[in-house]
Amino acid sequence: GAGVSQSPSNKVTEKGKDVELRCDPISGHTALYWYRQSLGQGLEFLIYFQGNSAPDKSGLPSDRFSAERTGGSVSTLTIQRTQQEDSAVYLCASTEISGNTIYFGEGSWLTVV
Amino acid sequence: RKEVEQDPGPFNVPEGATVAFNCTYSNSASQSFFWYRQDCRKEPKLLMSVYSSGNEDGRFTAQLNRASQYISLLIRDSKLSDSATYLCVVTSFNKFYFGSGTKLNVKP
Repeated sequence: GAGVSQSPSNKVTEKGKDVELRCDPISGHTALYWYRQSLGQGLEFLIYFQGNSAPDKSGLPSDRFSAERTGGSVSTLTIQRTQQEDSAVYLCASTEISGNTIYFGEGSWLTVV
Repeated sequence: RKEVEQDPGPFNVPEGATVAFNCTYSNSASQSFFWYRQDCRKEPKLLMSVYSSGNEDGRFTAQLNRASQYISLLIRDSKLSDSATYLCVVTSFNKFYFGSGTKLNVKP
């Protein structure tokens, strides 16, 4: 596709449920990043993929959060047993070469009620 | 200490004003530098890359000072449409470090 694509764009879920957020990076981009941004706050790094491996997952806030990437393309971020503090926009980004310009998707807005 | 620090603002300026933002970074081995713009409830978008020699794109000028580890963005002849949050971004070892942003409000 032309840009980074994320789905769902909006998700409202009940506390305790699991959610999956999907990211389809720009074709050919080998590096993929997940960030989280709460309203009015800065970007919080979650995890970085180079190909299918995740050399840096230091930003995942707890073991309820996990992510995978398959085929060097699509990535899924999974949040288990969601809590209200998980409410935020989850932004996926990709870059052709690590350290080069990073391009963001429009984000998945998660609300936990 | 945060990797990238910015004054959160807000900077409230009239149309036509010149405004400058600075950003400091802590890792002297940082490799690439960018300014991104983020509109309310939107994703960040690249505004411009920043080079040691300085670079200009229309009304926008970016400078990098490696010795002092700071980056600047100058906006001339501000427009209402420049109102946004400006994020300073620094890369180091394949990671992108984002400042928390400087909010600019351009008033009529």
